[in-house]
Amino acid sequence: GQSLEQPSEVTAVEGAIVQINCTYQTSGFYGLSWYQQHDGGAPTFLSYNALDGLEETGRFSSFLSRSDSYGYLLLQELQMKDSASYFCVLTGANNLFFGTGTRLTVIP
Amino acid sequence: GAVVSQHPSWVICKSGTSVKIECRSLDFQATTMFWYRQFPKQSLMLMATSNEGSKATYEQGVEKDKFLINHASLTLSTLTVTSAHPEDSSFYICSASGTQSSYEQYFGPGTRLTVT
Repeated sequence: GQSLEQPSEVTAVEGAIVQINCTYQTSGFYGLSWYQQHDGGAPTFLSYNALDGLEETGRFSSFLSRSDSYGYLLLQELQMKDSASYFCVLTGANNLFFGTGTRLTVIP
Repeated sequence: GAVVSQHPSWVICKSGTSVKIECRSLDFQATTMFWYRQFPKQSLMLMATSNEGSKATYEQGVEKDKFLINHASLTLSTLTVTSAHPEDSSFYICSASGTQSSYEQYFGPGTRLTVT
């Protein structure tokens, strides 16, 4: 089977940097994705790592280490609108397996 | 581009009745669509994979006779919750893979189902 672990909640100050870690177990996958979901809204795609290393997209960066079965999402220059749930997702050929999600609260 | 819509956005029905939820890809063709279920403050659980022109593939533990899925065209998939019970109350979300990459999925806004 597959499993993912993330912290359930994280609180950070506006303007700061926060890292959301994700560890996983799987027999095989194509890559690790990250999705953001605001309360009552649809998940939206943030980033995807097919290879080990860091992927940067604006204020967001994502990292993958297959040897460590570990990844993280880094959010810089936090804004109040970044308060949301963040899911790490094991990505297969044409399917997604969602982690439990991390609820990020950004405070002034 | 890559917009997915769902209808209705919320629905209240009585126990024992059936409810149909539509998922449409508005500006692209989706050979495959996915249906998820999400309980409050929990993760998305994949229910089934909907393939255009063929039977859906259901995840373990999901009753195919209760959650009927039809993918009649490249832009429309429907989920029918049959003989709904209060425990079926949940947030149902569909998604479709984009045309540029198979790993990025586009999600509909979700349907909040409440069974009384």
